[in-house]
Amino acid sequence: ELKVEQNPLFLSMQEGKNYTIYCNYSTTSDRLYWYRQDPGKSLESLFVLLSNGAVKQEGRLMASLDTKARLSTLHITAAVHDLSATYFCAVSFGNEKLTFGTGTRLTIIP
Amino acid sequence: SAVISQKPSRDICQRGTSLTIQCQVDSQVTMMFWYRQQPGQSLTLIATANQGSEATYESGFVIDKFPISRPNLTFSTLTVSNMSPEDSSIYLCSVEDNRETQYFGPGTRLLVL
Repeated sequence: ELKVEQNPLFLSMQEGKNYTIYCNYSTTSDRLYWYRQDPGKSLESLFVLLSNGAVKQEGRLMASLDTKARLSTLHITAAVHDLSATYFCAVSFGNEKLTFGTGTRLTIIP
Repeated sequence: SAVISQKPSRDICQRGTSLTIQCQVDSQVTMMFWYRQQPGQSLTLIATANQGSEATYESGFVIDKFPISRPNLTFSTLTVSNMSPEDSSIYLCSVEDNRETQYFGPGTRLLVL
């Protein structure tokens, strides 16, 4: 059974600081996704990572994938209040079904 | 990217009743997925719906409780049957586009009293 763990579960950080969210998964995966969810809203796709060593960046967010370590990171650079949300990673293997991580609730403090 | 709509957006229901949620996509897709997100929790896959065949349910979910229809390549419904307060959740449908990104609908927020 594929298991996906994220840490931390909760994160409060000051504006302007850098931080990293970690996503570990238990078995080989062929795709890893990062999503953002604002309170009361649906999921917004941020990144899809397909291969070992993949790195993608959008604004202040950068995601990377290490398939050998079964680890993905979401790095936040110089955080701003607008980045406050819950971030989920999700993995799939061999099909399109997604197994989601527990989520990281990020709060950016002015 | 695929544009997904869901109806209703929210509902308050009495226990013992059933609610059917509709999911409409603006393009033809092979598979549609139904997820549940309980309050403050992550997402859990309920079932995968292929057009022309019965849905495939994940462990812990059964067809009698969550019957699914998939009459064509752009539409699916999920029914939550004989509801109890434990069914209060957000129900989301999703699809995958050609660029291997999965998109989610806006969700249906269900409260069972």
